[in-house]
Amino acid sequence: DAGVIQSPRHEVTEMGQEVTLRCKPISGHNSLFWYRQTMMRGLELLIYFNNNVPIDDSGMPEDRFSAKMPNASFSTLKIQPSEPRDSAVYFCASSLRPVGLAGDEQYFGPGTRLTVT
Amino acid sequence: RKEVEQDPGPFNVPEGATVAFNCTYSNSASQSFFWYRQDCRKEPKLLMSVYSSGNEDGRFTAQLNRASQYISLLIRDSKLSDSATYLCVVKNTGGFKTIFGAGTRLFVKA
Repeated sequence: DAGVIQSPRHEVTEMGQEVTLRCKPISGHNSLFWYRQTMMRGLELLIYFNNNVPIDDSGMPEDRFSAKMPNASFSTLKIQPSEPRDSAVYFCASSLRPVGLAGDEQYFGPGTRLTVT
Repeated sequence: RKEVEQDPGPFNVPEGATVAFNCTYSNSASQSFFWYRQDCRKEPKLLMSVYSSGNEDGRFTAQLNRASQYISLLIRDSKLSDSATYLCVVKNTGGFKTIFGAGTRLFVKA
């Protein structure tokens, strides 16, 4: 079975450019999560969707970040304009059920390693 | 105080040793608990859920202590392949929060 798919796997861009990260959750999973991981701050939840609706976006750092989930099989995380401090690994995860219900275990994609110079 | 705290380690143990990690959480209303494992430059992978009654999966045992607000992971008969970072995860249903600890690094040596 295909797991969570993310693209690109690596992205190097210059400060000020727009960056779009993509995620395809596991088929049948209703919840999707975007995380950011850095050495300094660890793994941080950015946004959580359930049934394509954003439920919690309190972790989105600022207006430069936006996320969409137009359908059950696709989500994007966009950074515009990008800054060097955005350099991190961005993970997408999905779960069968919403947070707090049985079956809410999250399965992670391989991540996108973003470097902003 | 952080919502979820772990000893960062590293824990350096010989093969065959038993090692235990603790993770404390601050929100007494926390509902779900998990342990994940993350290898270097890889994604976190679910290791096991943590149930109120405790649960065991082979060499791994997870326990929850609600009174003291911590979860633990015990690894028996450590293998070289157990070397990784172990992340505890706490979920708070009311706020839909999923909070990862910073992780505990384990090195198992021959």
